[in-house]
Amino acid sequence: EVQLVESGGGLVQPGGSLRLSCAASGFTFNTYRMSWVRQAPGKGLEWVSYISSSSSTLHYADSVKGRFTISRDNAKNSLYLHMNSLRAEDTAVFHCARVNYVSGSYHFDYWGQGTLVTVSS
Amino acid sequence: EIVLTQSPGTLSLSPGERATLSCRASQSVSSISLAWYQQKPGQAPRLLIYGASSRATGIPDRFSGSGSETDFTLTISRLEPEDFAVYYCQQYGSSPLFTFGPGTKVDIK
Repeated sequence: EVQLVESGGGLVQPGGSLRLSCAASGFTFNTYRMSWVRQAPGKGLEWVSYISSSSSTLHYADSVKGRFTISRDNAKNSLYLHMNSLRAEDTAVFHCARVNYVSGSYHFDYWGQGTLVTVSS
Repeated sequence: EIVLTQSPGTLSLSPGERATLSCRASQSVSSISLAWYQQKPGQAPRLLIYGASSRATGIPDRFSGSGSETDFTLTISRLEPEDFAVYYCQQYGSSPLFTFGPGTKVDIK
C-alpha cells in the first residue's frame, strides 16, 4: 500500500524557517518524481515544487522561488521541503504527492494527508 | 501562463442526479495534460481522471471525463451520497509546471 506521511509543520514567525519531511513507503521511491502541493485554509490547491527521481530536475512556483528548496534522499525514501523567509501568505497545509507519468500525462496519483504550517507572530 | 477556470463555483444537486462540471483553459492545452481530483473536508485530494478521460485505479465508472483544447468536462452520471465534495481540474504545462483550477463544490440540494 502506497503511503506518504508528512511531518515538520508548526507555528513559525514571519521571516523564519522550517523543514518539512515526507516519508514514503509501499512503492519504489527512487523511480518516481515527487511534488509538494499546498492548500491555504479554506482555499484551493496550489502546486509548490517538483523534483525528478534523481534530483536532477527541480521546479518551483513563482510564489516560492528563491525561498523554498525541494530535495530528496532516495536511500531514506524521503522527500523534503526547506522553507526560508516565511510569510503569512505561506500559511497552509502542505501535501507531498507522487507524480505519475502515463502515456504523456503527468498527474498526482497519491497524496499524503498533509502537515499544517502557520506563519504568524 | 495558462489559467484554469471552473464553473459553476457551486453545484447543488440531489443524489441520483447527473453532475456536469466544467474546466476551461485560458489557451489550448493538450488533453493528455488534464486531470481531475476529488477532495472531501479534512482529506487529501484523490485522483479521479487523468489524460482528460482515463479513470484512475478504483474510480467507479459513473465518473467520466471528456474535452479538448480549452474546454473539459467531468461528468458524474448518478450522484451517490459520497460524491458530494469539491472537484479540481489540473493541468501540466511549462510555467508553472502544474496549475489547478479554483474548484467546484458539489453539495446536496
